[in-house]
Amino acid sequence: KNEVEQSPQNLTAQEGEFITINCSYSVGISALHWLQQHPGGGIVSLFMLSSGKKKHGRLIATINIQEKHSSLHITASHPRDSAVYICAGWTNTGNQFYFGTGTSLTVIP
Amino acid sequence: EPEVTQTPSHQVTQMGQEVILRCVPISNHLYFYWYRQILGQKVEFLVSFYNNEISEKSEIFDDQFSVERPDGSNFTLKIRSTKLEDSAMYFCASSVNRGSQETQYFGPGTRLLVL
Repeated sequence: KNEVEQSPQNLTAQEGEFITINCSYSVGISALHWLQQHPGGGIVSLFMLSSGKKKHGRLIATINIQEKHSSLHITASHPRDSAVYICAGWTNTGNQFYFGTGTSLTVIP
Repeated sequence: EPEVTQTPSHQVTQMGQEVILRCVPISNHLYFYWYRQILGQKVEFLVSFYNNEISEKSEIFDDQFSVERPDGSNFTLKIRSTKLEDSAMYFCASSVNRGSQETQYFGPGTRLLVL
């Protein structure tokens, strides 16, 4: 059973395309985090949000608490955006994350 | 910029052996975490640690696992008797405070291979 689901699993885009990665969750969470995992394995935190929308550079993250859904958008995608993007829900009751399976993004020049 | 470090980067061990994975969290952080990622699978929470004791642990974190902060800087994960299925990437993370709004900073990981 996956408490956090992501789609698509794999995504290939041409440089410059607008990209959307979706995340839905079934557990009660107090915040949703988006993480980026580089090909070498390192993990970097991109966003944490509990409501609304956040923007950082070309990245935009939104969350709809009622629908238990979040999206990560990348505008004007670039090959250096190629990575695995992971959403993780921080549970209401407990100091831990539930992780999605990740979306592997490849941006082709 | 401060970062979380982990050693070793790779470890190969025989089944049944004990391994200790080491992490140095960011110096002013108070909360520490271990995660694992089996090859091709999602990241899984193992344990969180605060004030020299376990704060939360997952079902995965059974009696073969233990964590320790032996001194003011290191945070270790010990696997007492390794099994083949313990082969995974192990990530340490730290945060200033506890809670959903806190950014966790991840280390580069230790890739453990159990033969």
